[in-house]
Amino acid sequence: QVQLQESGPGLLKPSQTLSLTCTVSGGSISSAGYYWTWIRQRPGKALEWIGYIHYSGTSYYNPSLRSRMTILVDTSMNQFSLRLTSVTDADTAVYYCARDRSGYSLVDNWGQGTLVTVSS
Amino acid sequence: QSALTQPPSASGSPGQSVTISCTGTSGDVGRYDYVSWYQQRPDKAPKLLIYEVSQRPSGVPDRFSGSKSGNTASLTVSGLQADDEAEYYCTSYVGSIHFLFGGGTKLTVL
Repeated sequence: QVQLQESGPGLLKPSQTLSLTCTVSGGSISSAGYYWTWIRQRPGKALEWIGYIHYSGTSYYNPSLRSRMTILVDTSMNQFSLRLTSVTDADTAVYYCARDRSGYSLVDNWGQGTLVTVSS
Repeated sequence: QSALTQPPSASGSPGQSVTISCTGTSGDVGRYDYVSWYQQRPDKAPKLLIYEVSQRPSGVPDRFSGSKSGNTASLTVSGLQADDEAEYYCTSYVGSIHFLFGGGTKLTVL
């Protein structure tokens, strides 16, 4: 049973960099066909697709965040990560890491989510 | 690009059927058969109910069904149960490896 777990700081100040890691257990992040995904949810708001990465390293980003973000994969650690620079309070959200089985929103496995708050 | 449009709320009595709509444009919902639906309970991660418009993952009851007509996709929940009370989100591929979610619909079982 594959499980995903987010980790990282829960509180940031404006202009800092958000760094989150998702550890995949119970299966290999190098499994073919999967896209390792980040999705966020602002408090009381809808879900927002941030981006995803294939184990080969090919990544795709939400155009509205592309200039500030990077998603990387570390197959040796069975982890993938999200980096978002110059955060503002608009980046306050629960961040989910997840697995997309097809690359077309077949997201069948989710982490529990981690709340990141941006506040001065 | 704007989020897909969902009604903010829907409701039905136990045993009834409820349909939730998800309206996009000819550039997303109308163009691609990559519409998915997720169920989210309070303070929980979403759960996949439907993918590729009408496909159900294993383990999802057949009370949940999806369809699409033109620029609008729909999720129908038949035989409503108290446990179906949750927030429901649609999402669609919009091209260039990008996805949009709907604003969410809160389903209340009366």
